[in-house]
Amino acid sequence: GQQVMQIPQYQHVQEGEDFTTYCNSSTTLSNIQWYKQRPGGHPVFLIQLVKSGEVKKQKRLTFQFGEAKKNSSLHITATQTTDVGTYFCAGPGGYGGSQGNLIFGKGTKLSVKP
Amino acid sequence: KAGVTQTPRYLIKTRGQQVTLSCSPISGHRSVSWYQQTPGQGLQFLFEYFSETQRNKGNFPGRFSGRQFSNSRSEMNVSTLELGDSALYLCASSSRWFDMKSAFFGQGTRLTVV
Repeated sequence: GQQVMQIPQYQHVQEGEDFTTYCNSSTTLSNIQWYKQRPGGHPVFLIQLVKSGEVKKQKRLTFQFGEAKKNSSLHITATQTTDVGTYFCAGPGGYGGSQGNLIFGKGTKLSVKP
Repeated sequence: KAGVTQTPRYLIKTRGQQVTLSCSPISGHRSVSWYQQTPGQGLQFLFEYFSETQRNKGNFPGRFSGRQFSNSRSEMNVSTLELGDSALYLCASSSRWFDMKSAFFGQGTRLTVV
């Protein structure tokens, strides 16, 4: 079945260092979404990428969608302690246009040392 | 406006029992999806409901069931609980079918099966 793989599983960085997580899908995606889950919290929607090669920025976060729409990355510049959490990518796995059936990557858990 | 409300927040059950979890979506949202989150398997899709109809179902055994009421509130039921059912159960609501740009996750119900 459809799979979404995410690496690395864990990333420990010093505050101020950059961080990147990568996501690869076994199938072409109509879109890809990114979520952040703080420790003890629930996933919070960050962004959706739809177009091939799309790049979007949110302050220090840069999201990219691959040309083949099978991979994506999230890059954080100059990490801060507030960036701590687990970052998930997810792609639609439903039928008939339904987006509610999301296939999530296992996530990258980011820890930031002050 | 109020967010997605899941009740109860925490639950401890014994193997073989059944459990019912509740999700109240954001007012006006008609789409509700359920996910199971475990350390080993990550976030896995359970069901998606829109207008009281199940639109999609994930790869879970028949012990997992759900429904949606006319006021869009949703419940999921797990019968004959197993230790492996211990997880964080999350629901997400959206105003449309099913646009994750506008989807919001609840805080989740943490179920522990002993």
